[in-house]
Amino acid sequence: DSGVTQTPKHLITATGQRVTLRCSPRSGDLSVYWYQQSLDQGLQFLIQYYNGEERAKGNILERFSAQQFPDLHSELNLSSLELGDSALYFCASSPAGGNYGYTFGSGTRLTVV
Amino acid sequence: AQKVTQAQTEISVVEKEDVTLDCVYETRDTTYYLFWYKQPPSGELVFLIRRNSFDEQNEISGRYSWNFQKSTSSFNFTITASQVVDSAVYFCALSEAGRDDKIIFGKGTRLHILP
Repeated sequence: DSGVTQTPKHLITATGQRVTLRCSPRSGDLSVYWYQQSLDQGLQFLIQYYNGEERAKGNILERFSAQQFPDLHSELNLSSLELGDSALYFCASSPAGGNYGYTFGSGTRLTVV
Repeated sequence: AQKVTQAQTEISVVEKEDVTLDCVYETRDTTYYLFWYKQPPSGELVFLIRRNSFDEQNEISGRYSWNFQKSTSSFNFTITASQVVDSAVYFCALSEAGRDDKIIFGKGTRLHILP
């Protein structure tokens, strides 16, 4: 157990739907990062939060949004889902910034049908 | 902008052979950090090593060793006497110092160790 908890582990949903992925960072970690891993794109950085504030944004679609709550857990919301959104979504946390390296959760496998 | 290139998409070797995974990076920062992560078939991402740009000493951890060369912007990873359990996808990654310190990953090298 890495200490980073992601739920759910698997999610199957239909096109056009909306889902929420949840991440609880390792105890004491202030930074949360979201990544998307698809077969052809590798690990793509989506967004970073630090202590409740958005800190960096990557190639995140407008249909996707995220937030980090006062208890430091984070949620990634994906809406108007398309087949191409099927991927493994990872959350990672670090004590401060990425320079320390990340601890990854086990991921949420999203399948859009 | 930062970039990590892993030119080897897939490698197969027979068990007990040595194998080197290549990683080349690009960054404009003088202070940066390099990483290797392992993703076994079970899917989780496992941290292997972190190295800062001021420490060019090679590192050895058991059968694993890393060769960092700033002159060629490379951070290669060697597995000695490979084992079937080493079969995984290996990612090289880079983060820059400063506010935007996200980690950027290479596309990974899938390593098959054949019995």
